Amino acid sequence: EAQVTQNPRYLITVTGKKLTVTCSQNMNHEYMSWYRQDPGLGLRQIYYSMNVEVTDKGDVPEGYKVSRKEKRNFPLILESPSPNQTSLYFCASSLGVTNEKLFFGSGTQLSVL
Amino acid sequence: ILNVEQSPQSLHVQEGDSTNFTCSFPSSNFYALHWYRWETAKSPEALFVMTLNGDEKKKGRISATLNTKEGYSYLYIKGSQPEDSATYLCAFSSTGNMLTFGGGTRLMVKP
Repeated sequence: EAQVTQNPRYLITVTGKKLTVTCSQNMNHEYMSWYRQDPGLGLRQIYYSMNVEVTDKGDVPEGYKVSRKEKRNFPLILESPSPNQTSLYFCASSLGVTNEKLFFGSGTQLSVL
Repeated sequence: ILNVEQSPQSLHVQEGDSTNFTCSFPSSNFYALHWYRWETAKSPEALFVMTLNGDEKKKGRISATLNTKEGYSYLYIKGSQPEDSATYLCAFSSTGNMLTFGGGTRLMVKP
């Protein structure tokens, strides 16, 4: 089944404790991206990747890192999480750049205490 | 940061009503406009991707139009059903590598 797999679904952590949210797609998609959803703000793009080893900042990249060492994986890394990073996070992928529809992962609800 | 606005923010309709919402985006440097449907506790799912001025797309009772010169897209739902209750998101791209989402329109259809 074609899908974007994102883990974990729920995560509670404490300020400063490094964490990684994994994202993997099995559709051979070139384009992958991360978004965060906050009440009243809509989905905001954190980082995106056009291909392996090519990543770029979105609108809200501060406090996040990503890597794209393999085409299928695009992990989101929070080196030192802070409470303002408490949010719902989505990974997404698509065949090409933004003229192709996005396939979303199931989301990760992160709480930073 | 690009300004993508959706109106109304929320909408309550009766089953069987037809409804429409608006997505407004910058009218310069257009690349693509997406519509997604997002049900509570699920992930957004793509409805349409439109790339040409005048594009019209249809999927069942849902259709969308695009006017890139004036910077808006309409989403129409004909004969709303309770299962249409969801948040509808539009997303705009001007460069071909980033998508900017609007705040969404939350639709609630009463039986």
